[in-house]
Amino acid sequence: QVQLVQSGAEVKKPGASVKVSCKASGYTLTSYALHWVRQAPGQRLEWMGWINDGNGNTKYSQKFQGRITITRDTSASTDYMELSSLRSEDTAVYYCARSENYGSGGYYFDYWGQGTLVSVSS
Amino acid sequence: DIVMTQSPDSLAVSLGERATINCKSSQSLLYSSNNKNYLAWYQHKPGQPPKLLIYWASTRESGVPDRFSGSGSGTDFTLTISSLQAEDVAVYYCQQYYSTVPFTFGPGTKVDIK
Repeated sequence: QVQLVQSGAEVKKPGASVKVSCKASGYTLTSYALHWVRQAPGQRLEWMGWINDGNGNTKYSQKFQGRITITRDTSASTDYMELSSLRSEDTAVYYCARSENYGSGGYYFDYWGQGTLVSVSS
Repeated sequence: DIVMTQSPDSLAVSLGERATINCKSSQSLLYSSNNKNYLAWYQHKPGQPPKLLIYWASTRESGVPDRFSGSGSGTDFTLTISSLQAEDVAVYYCQQYYSTVPFTFGPGTKVDIK
């Protein structure tokens, strides 16, 4: 069965970086796109960026451009999201989520990771 | 960016009664070449990841009970729970995927038992 398993909770200081992993199983990683979505306390879900197909093409929300990097290790069936220059407003639960690959149009998120809490505090 | 709004912010419904959630987009989500509306609905319970309920505005995801249904087109959409069950208590979000960067979600509607 399809599963997305994320790395554990992180506590970071302002200005630091965090890297969250998302390990896929039950399907071929390169056959789908993988998105990163976060939810800060009391806020709506917020899309951050995605990585497509075996070429690892990425697209990011303008809000996070310059601070976010999404990468893929195909051999490990794992995607990574790194967010730099962390501030207190980045405290949130971060999710990875799967959709169809770019070009299909079916960019709804059918499977989600369990979520990773990232806390940013001095 | 396409802005998504939802109404109401929250609602309380008696068990077995109907719950209706509305979602509005700032521009049409209907793609004329395939006549599909690029809208999805999710259920989100505390401590769990969101769960896909509906995509293409009205297609129920496999395994989702048929008391959940989606309707609407263009800029106005509705999620209906025909007979509310205790396990349906959650926050419900709509999401547009017409515009790919960024994908955007509504603010959520909290559903409780009256």
